[in-house]
Amino acid sequence: AQTVTQSQPEMSVQEAETVTLSCTYDTSESDYYLFWYKQPPSRQMILVIRQEAYKQQNATENRFSVNFQKAAKSFSLKISDSQLGDAAMYFCAYRSAKNRIQGAQKLVFGQGTRLTINP
Amino acid sequence: DAMVIQNPRYQVTQFGKPVTLSCSQTLNHNVMYWYQQKSSQAPKLLFHYYDKDFNNEADTPDNFQSRRPNTSFCFLDIRSPGLGDAAMYLCATSARGHRGDGYTFGSGTRLTVV
Repeated sequence: AQTVTQSQPEMSVQEAETVTLSCTYDTSESDYYLFWYKQPPSRQMILVIRQEAYKQQNATENRFSVNFQKAAKSFSLKISDSQLGDAAMYFCAYRSAKNRIQGAQKLVFGQGTRLTINP
Repeated sequence: DAMVIQNPRYQVTQFGKPVTLSCSQTLNHNVMYWYQQKSSQAPKLLFHYYDKDFNNEADTPDNFQSRRPNTSFCFLDIRSPGLGDAAMYLCATSARGHRGDGYTFGSGTRLTVV
């Protein structure tokens, strides 16, 4: 079974600075998807960024970018120019790319990193 | 806007009293999921429906059941809630064949057991 590990329960950063959240995962599959989700307090979880394992190029979405190291099974999230609205719980997640079998499409989440932005 | 809606946002139930949480979606997605998220923990998948095909996780307690009467609605039934079932319950959807799109989540229902 796949597992996802986020080793930083909490992180903090000064507004306008850059922060990197770490994520490692374990899988025997070669084709999969990786995601970062943001969960603000008392609000719904939203997708921040996704990465397809077969793509070597790191995904970027505005101020958010990833460092995907497939051999090391590492998938970190970099937030540039941090803003107060970035404060949230961030979850790293894995999803198999296999054809649908029971459980194949489920998201496996890490434990989360609580990010605080200091004004 | 197309979305996933969970009702109610907050639910208080008595120990042992059956409770039902609801989820509806306007996305016409094939797959609907129920996750349990306890405080400061990762969401844990309870079960999912792929169209009408129900898929239970091996470690989901029998106390948790689900119904999906049509594409738009999915219900989570907790037959005899215990104090340990207090959690946020997240409903999510995804479209068949779009494995790279992740999920669309509802806002969750926070369940308190008294």
